[in-house]
Amino acid sequence: GAGVSQSPSNKVTEKGKDVELRCDPISGHTALYWYRQSLGQGLEFLIYFQGNSAPDKSGLPSDRFSAERTGGSVSTLTIQRTQQEDSAVYLCASSKTDSWMGEKLFFGSGTQLSVL
Amino acid sequence: GENVEQHPSTLSVQEGDSAVIKCTYSDSASNYFPWYKQELGKRPQLIIDIRSNVGEKKDQRIAVTLNKTAKHFSLHITETQPEDSAVYFCAALPNDYKLSFGAGTTVTVRA
Repeated sequence: GAGVSQSPSNKVTEKGKDVELRCDPISGHTALYWYRQSLGQGLEFLIYFQGNSAPDKSGLPSDRFSAERTGGSVSTLTIQRTQQEDSAVYLCASSKTDSWMGEKLFFGSGTQLSVL
Repeated sequence: GENVEQHPSTLSVQEGDSAVIKCTYSDSASNYFPWYKQELGKRPQLIIDIRSNVGEKKDQRIAVTLNKTAKHFSLHITETQPEDSAVYFCAALPNDYKLSFGAGTTVTVRA
């Protein structure tokens, strides 16, 4: 596709269930980022991938959160035993490289997660 | 890690007036400062960015200034129009690839 694609666009789940969010970056983009946007808040960094490796997992809120990226392309963010405070919009972004000088991030439209 | 603070959180301006949003950052190693615009229900999109070796950059009605000594940077929108209504996020990139965002400013342009 032409842009970053995320699925599902909306997810309603019950507290305690596991959820999996998917991100399909722009073809050829080597860097991939996950951010979380809570209502009225800024963009909270979760994790960054360069290729398939994740040199920085420091933003993951707890050990219930994990992410992987296979084939240097699609990434999945998994939240186990969801809690109500996990409710937020989860945004994925990709960029051509991870240049020290900064690269433009292309964001997906996000997954709105609601934990009941 | 980098800490970015953004002010004001909300801003209401009359159409045609100017809007200014200010951000401060904590990590002196930060060298890249982008601004993203997020319209209601849409994804954030880059509108302008500035690098540490430049003090000011302008693109039509939008300009950004950077003061590295004071560690602050600002977004200026002149001749505001209704389509400028959105949430604006500043960000700073230190040398750890982790682009840190401010909390956002909701700009409303009154017709």
